[in-house]
Amino acid sequence: GQNIDQPTEMTATEGAIVQINCTYQTSGFNGLFWYQQHAGEAPTFLSYNVLDGLEEKGRFSSFLSRSKGYSYLLLKELQMKDSASYLCAVMDSNYQLIWGAGTKLIIKP
Amino acid sequence: NAGVTQTPKFRVLKTGQSMTLLCAQDMNHEYMYWYRQDPGMGLRLIHYSVGEGTTAKGEVPDGYNVSRLKKQNFLLGLESAAPSQTSVYFCASRTGQEHNEQFFGPGTRLTVL
Repeated sequence: GQNIDQPTEMTATEGAIVQINCTYQTSGFNGLFWYQQHAGEAPTFLSYNVLDGLEEKGRFSSFLSRSKGYSYLLLKELQMKDSASYLCAVMDSNYQLIWGAGTKLIIKP
Repeated sequence: NAGVTQTPKFRVLKTGQSMTLLCAQDMNHEYMYWYRQDPGMGLRLIHYSVGEGTTAKGEVPDGYNVSRLKKQNFLLGLESAAPSQTSVYFCASRTGQEHNEQFFGPGTRLTVL
């Protein structure tokens, strides 16, 4: 079966760094996406990885290791507005997204 | 551009009632999707469309029907609502290139009593 695993909840302090992990087992791989979803709102795109390595975009970076079925999202200089759920999604062999349940990130002052 | 819009935003139905959720996008996207989001679970694909006049089943299609008569609109129908269909429904769209992100509508919160 297809499976995406990520921690249910994480807590971090304003100004700090946090790493959210995602492991996956899917039928085929055509890329991995990270989305941010604030409570009661729609998911919004953060990053896309299809090759191994680190993609940096401002305070956010995303890493992929295809051989390990592993990705992480790194958030630096945390701000209170970063409190949200972070969704990991893998594009499978049919080019459909398989979604993890999301990691709720709580930022404390 | 309005992006992806959904109507209605909220709805309460009684078991057995029917309704249609409307999704519209003004980005000229080929692909459109209907998902449901339930607590503790990832987004699950209900139906999707790769272009005007086409539809296909996703992971959880039972109890739902869809139509894409116009490129910009994607309708999701519930013929006979059940309490198990209580959920938040999201519509999304993207271009035809696989690596492009999906853009989501604001969601419809549906409760079936």
